[in-house]
Amino acid sequence: DTAVSQTPKYLVTQMGNDKSIKCEQNLGHDTMYWYKQDSKKFLKIMFSYNNKELIINETVPNRFSPKSPDKAHLNLHINSLELGDSAVYFCASSHGTGGYEQYFGPGTRLTVT
Amino acid sequence: AQSVTQLGSHVSVSEGALVLLRCNYSSSVPPYLFWYVQYPNQGLQLLLKYTTGATLVKGINGFEAEFKKSETSFHLTKPSAHMSDAAEYFCAVRFYGGSQGNLIFGKGTKLSVKP
Repeated sequence: DTAVSQTPKYLVTQMGNDKSIKCEQNLGHDTMYWYKQDSKKFLKIMFSYNNKELIINETVPNRFSPKSPDKAHLNLHINSLELGDSAVYFCASSHGTGGYEQYFGPGTRLTVT
Repeated sequence: AQSVTQLGSHVSVSEGALVLLRCNYSSSVPPYLFWYVQYPNQGLQLLLKYTTGATLVKGINGFEAEFKKSETSFHLTKPSAHMSDAAEYFCAVRFYGGSQGNLIFGKGTKLSVKP
């Protein structure tokens, strides 16, 4: 009965590789997000999708590309991975884009070697 | 610029003592305010939120926070700390007129609870 799930939980890869992280929510929400948490625990939004349409795209390298096949899924593809991409990536979802709280997934720890 | 400040990156209290975690924001218009907790190697869990109405909001696990417009603050408190409260706490703000759904997070406060 997990609300927001992410796969994989851990991802170790080498520089230059391409990888994907998947996110699914079963809360019936129409808005989903990707956040990056760096080694100092600082959280910053990367992308937001509402009803499968991109509504937030913060300053993120174009090597990062989100894809939302439907309202329940938001995947994150990363091309040509760099050492600086190492972080924990969190998916979140909410009902609408107003003052509604966001529900977070367990995170994916990406390590680039 | 709109920002969120959490005073104290690390707070240590004794079990049974009062917990006070501070959060201030910079905005002339009251925003939506949230507190999240992150236990080690886990995602973020919502503790409580303020959108409109009563300025003292109660959350889970005995936590509460009070929105003070004049002080642009939303401090988190708990009367009596428990060992299980040890975690990282994040204040998050959605500013009025900001990008839809965009939450700005503070840098977090790590709470340690001593026996």
